[in-house]
Amino acid sequence: AQSVAQPEDQVNVAEGNPLTVKCTYSVSGNPYLFWYVQYPNRGLQFLLKYITGDNLVKGSYGFEAEFNKSQTSFHLKKPSALVSDSALYFCAVKGGYSTLTFGKGTMLLVSP
Amino acid sequence: GAGVSQSPSNKVTEKGKDVELRCDPISGHTALYWYRQSLGQGLEFLIYFQGNSAPDKSGLPSDRFSAERTGGSVSTLTIQRTQQEDSAVYLCASSFRDRDNNEQFFGPGTRLTVL
Repeated sequence: AQSVAQPEDQVNVAEGNPLTVKCTYSVSGNPYLFWYVQYPNRGLQFLLKYITGDNLVKGSYGFEAEFNKSQTSFHLKKPSALVSDSALYFCAVKGGYSTLTFGKGTMLLVSP
Repeated sequence: GAGVSQSPSNKVTEKGKDVELRCDPISGHTALYWYRQSLGQGLEFLIYFQGNSAPDKSGLPSDRFSAERTGGSVSTLTIQRTQQEDSAVYLCASSFRDRDNNEQFFGPGTRLTVL
């Protein structure tokens, strides 16, 4: 069975500082990894994905994520946080033709 | 272009009643998914449709839950004899063919409250 762990329920960061939201996964075979963001009372929005190729993936709104196969991690990063980045972030994984499995989400709070 | 739409946005019902939730996917998307989002539980996969293939129902929590997709487009999720534990936000998503690992596009969800 595949699974995703987001070890932090909440991450607090000051505006302008770098941010990291952690994600580790477990899957059989090659992993396909995704990050989504959910703003209040909204559906999820796609940020970025890793399918194959470069381990560093760049996505929307200045976010990036690094695929680390040895550590089975896919942490989300941004060099300089904005207050408007405050939202709920979900990491998700699938292996092969399986369906997508989501983590429980990490609330990011960026203070002015 | 239009995104995924869901209706109603909010539904309050009494325990034991049946409810129907509707999803209109993005035109041209062959894959459609239903998820349930409960507080602190993340997203729980319910059911997946791909084209005309038999749906993957492996995530449905009980036989009170069912879904159909008519004409390869609109989908309806039905919950029979609702229970209080069914209260959650039900999210629908669609994508191009799933086996190509395309990203899913989500609707705004239906918030179901069972009294």
